[in-house]
Amino acid sequence: QVQLVQSGAEVKKPGASVKVSCKASGYTFTGYYMHWVRQAPGQGLEWMGRINPDSGGTNYAQKFQGRVTMTRDTSISTAYMELSSLRSDDTAVYYCSRGSGWSFDYWGQGTLVTVSS
Amino acid sequence: EIVLTQSPGTLSLSPGERATLSCRASQSVTGNYLAWYQQKPGQAPRLLIYGASSRATGIPNRFSGSGSGTDFTLTISRLEPEDFAVFYCQQYGSSPPEYTFGQGTKLEIK
Repeated sequence: QVQLVQSGAEVKKPGASVKVSCKASGYTFTGYYMHWVRQAPGQGLEWMGRINPDSGGTNYAQKFQGRVTMTRDTSISTAYMELSSLRSDDTAVYYCSRGSGWSFDYWGQGTLVTVSS
Repeated sequence: EIVLTQSPGTLSLSPGERATLSCRASQSVTGNYLAWYQQKPGQAPRLLIYGASSRATGIPNRFSGSGSGTDFTLTISRLEPEDFAVFYCQQYGSSPPEYTFGQGTKLEIK
């Protein structure tokens, strides 16, 4: 069965960076885009970007251009999302999700990133 | 960027009733690339509907999607207790690739 397992919660200071991992299993990792979506406390869903695990090509939402980097390691079927220059309004749950066509069919359990001084 | 507006913000209904949720786009959604998700507290979203009207794997047939262009609807024909949650619509646009979500509709027990 398809599973996406994310790394654990993080607490960071303003200005720092965070790197979240997402290990995929149960399907061919290189066959599907991996997306990252975040959700601030009590708020809605916000798409951050995607990576093609086969080519490594990325597309980022304009809001995060210059601050986000998505990478992957195909040898261990793992995708990564690194967000830099963290601010308090980056406090959110960050999800990885598998792209299926133009929607997201499987999701990780989420990683809470708290930015606080 | 296409903006998705969901209505109502909150819908209060009883089990057994019919729920109708709306998602309106600021521009026509290309290829009807419109999806619906359900999210319960503390959980990740779950895909319900893709391509505006196709049910995802394992989704009960009481969930249905319809619409095209700028107006889309999610209907739950007969509410079960486990259906109460927040629902989001989502669209895909190209050039550049972008995915946007509506602000959500909370379906609560009356």
